[in-house]
Parts: sequence; structure tokens; C-alpha cells
Amino acid sequence: ETGVTQTPRHLVMGMTNKKSLKCEQHLGHNAMYWYKQSAKKPLELMFVYNFKEQTENNSVPSRFSPECPNSSHLFLHLHTLQPEDSALYLCASSQVGTVTLPGNTIYFGEGSWLTVV
Amino acid sequence: KQEVTQIPAALSVPEGENLVLNCSFTDSAIYNLQWFRQDPGKGLTSLLLIQSSQREQTSGRLNASLDKSSGRSTLYIAASQPGDSATYLCAVSGNFNKFYFGSGTKLNVKP
Repeated sequence: ETGVTQTPRHLVMGMTNKKSLKCEQHLGHNAMYWYKQSAKKPLELMFVYNFKEQTENNSVPSRFSPECPNSSHLFLHLHTLQPEDSALYLCASSQVGTVTLPGNTIYFGEGSWLTVV
Repeated sequence: KQEVTQIPAALSVPEGENLVLNCSFTDSAIYNLQWFRQDPGKGLTSLLLIQSSQREQTSGRLNASLDKSSGRSTLYIAASQPGDSATYLCAVSGNFNKFYFGSGTKLNVKP
């Protein structure tokens, strides 16, 4: 079992559909992230959750709605997406650092390939 | 704001060559630096983690160095193999859980 599991691995949806991406981490971490990776572009941070609270929204359009019910699960709800939203969506987790114990490794899931038609 | 740059963007080498990938960052106040590997259509796999107090880390044929004061890191791959073909990304961590990624170097090792 991998540390960070994402489902579904592939998703095709129409512009009027509503779907969700799911992420689960089995590492006991308390921070979770959504990243977007488009072709030939660097990783774009979308959202950060620390201890289930959203601490960062990187100017993401409201058609993307994150949800973090607990420290192990993270969802990305999708509605009325555009074709340019087609990308690989990566979930990650890490342990929130402190002054004496800085944050360390970030672990990624395999990603969810999203195609908007 | 921290900026991470990776050079070259793409690299093609014959099998068996030793090679070096470069990563530079603008703010030296980092906690650690990580090198990742990404295969096409897959997630990122962590290869090496260097804490800010360390100078290098080694794993098998991989060696990563860190010069925090100059804002540079290198990933050295010895005796490259076709299976090493992938995109390699570096990331630095800032305050607590902020991570900054480079755009990656796409490596092709030809048989």
C-alpha cells in the first residue's frame, strides 16, 4: 500500500458535470496539498491544509472546491470546469514542521489525470 | 519569494555516461532540499533529501550535494542507464511546510 493514494487515476468529464477527486494518506501526516501539473508547465500549488484547516488558496478559481474532513483525507470537488483545466492533479502530504523540528519530506500520490471535454 | 531554477531543461546522453543536473534557489534560508523523479503520467518519487546542515547525500548511483550559501544543488548520476530516463525535479522547503519546486530536467538515456 502506497503512502498517498489517489482515486480515480483517470477521469473524463464534461464541462457541466460535477465530480470529485479523492486523496488518502497513510503516513500520519498533518498537512495535505493539491497541486496541478499541466503539460510543459511547472507544478502549481493549489491548496494547503494544516490540521484540517485550509492555510493556502493559491488564487484558484471557485470551480475547484477542496474539502478536508480529517488529517488523512482530502477531496477536490470539480464543477463546470473548462478544457484548460485538463491536467494531472497531484495530492501530497507532509508533517507540519516546528521551529525545533522543521518540516521534512513531502510525499506524493500517483496523481489523477483529468480530461475536460 | 523563493524561486527555484533547474538547468538544463532537457538532457540526452548515451548509456553509461556520468551526468550532473543543476538546481539553484534564490533564498538560502531553507530547511532542506529534495530531489524527485517523475515518470510520464505518474506522481513524484523522492530520491534524496538533504537537510540544510548537510553537504551531500548518496543513494546507490545517485549523489546530491548542497551549497546553501551559494543557493546551489547538484544531482550526480553515475553510469546512467535507460531506466534512469525521467524528469528530475528539485524542491526546497521554506518556513514550516512550504515547498518550492523547479520546472525539472527531462533526462533521456539512450541505449
